Amino acid sequence: NAGVMQNPRHLVRRRGQEARLRCSPMKGHSHVYWYRQLPEEGLKFMVYLQKENIIDESGMPKERFSAEFPKEGPSILRIQQVVRGDSAAYFCASSPGQGLQETQYFGPGTRLLVL
Amino acid sequence: GENVEQHPSTLSVQEGDSAVIKCTYSDSASNYFPWYKQELGKRPQLIIDIRSNVGEKKDQRIAVTLNKTAKHFSLHITETQPEDSAVYFCAAPGGGSTLGRLYFGRGTQLTVWP
Repeated sequence: NAGVMQNPRHLVRRRGQEARLRCSPMKGHSHVYWYRQLPEEGLKFMVYLQKENIIDESGMPKERFSAEFPKEGPSILRIQQVVRGDSAAYFCASSPGQGLQETQYFGPGTRLLVL
Repeated sequence: GENVEQHPSTLSVQEGDSAVIKCTYSDSASNYFPWYKQELGKRPQLIIDIRSNVGEKKDQRIAVTLNKTAKHFSLHITETQPEDSAVYFCAAPGGGSTLGRLYFGRGTQLTVWP
């Protein structure tokens, strides 16, 4: 049973470019969460999605950031016009979507570096 | 929203000693408390979790205790080994409109010296 998959694992962008991060949840999981981790800090919630539905995006900056989880395919976190402060590790997690306060399993992360 | 505090931020122990990491939370609606271990450059890995219907849970050398009245929970690692060296994060879920997300502590860097 494959775990949560993320790609790319490393991404380098210049200021002003777009970054697209992809996440495939564990098989059978229908809920996806995105977190950001700055160096030597904990993980900060960004957005919570179900298939074709954003449940909670209150942790995500309103400008330049967007997320989706289409009916088919992976969840995408998109950062437009990246700035140096966007450099971080972005982790995706998934859960079965069968109850409240479920266990979340994390992917390997995408490390974004903005030059 | 939930506020999770974690202490200490760094912890050094000798191999074979015990290590204890403590967390407090603020939202009384939280009833699920996971602990994650993160090695350098790797993903956070769930090592143990506890739900509020129990006060303690044990898995080999790892145990977690929960005090809902005081709103704190702790991770206990016994007979530590060098491979236990990592950053450990506690977390608690939000309630109400923030249900679903996890709030993480800032992490504890555990170093086990051989």
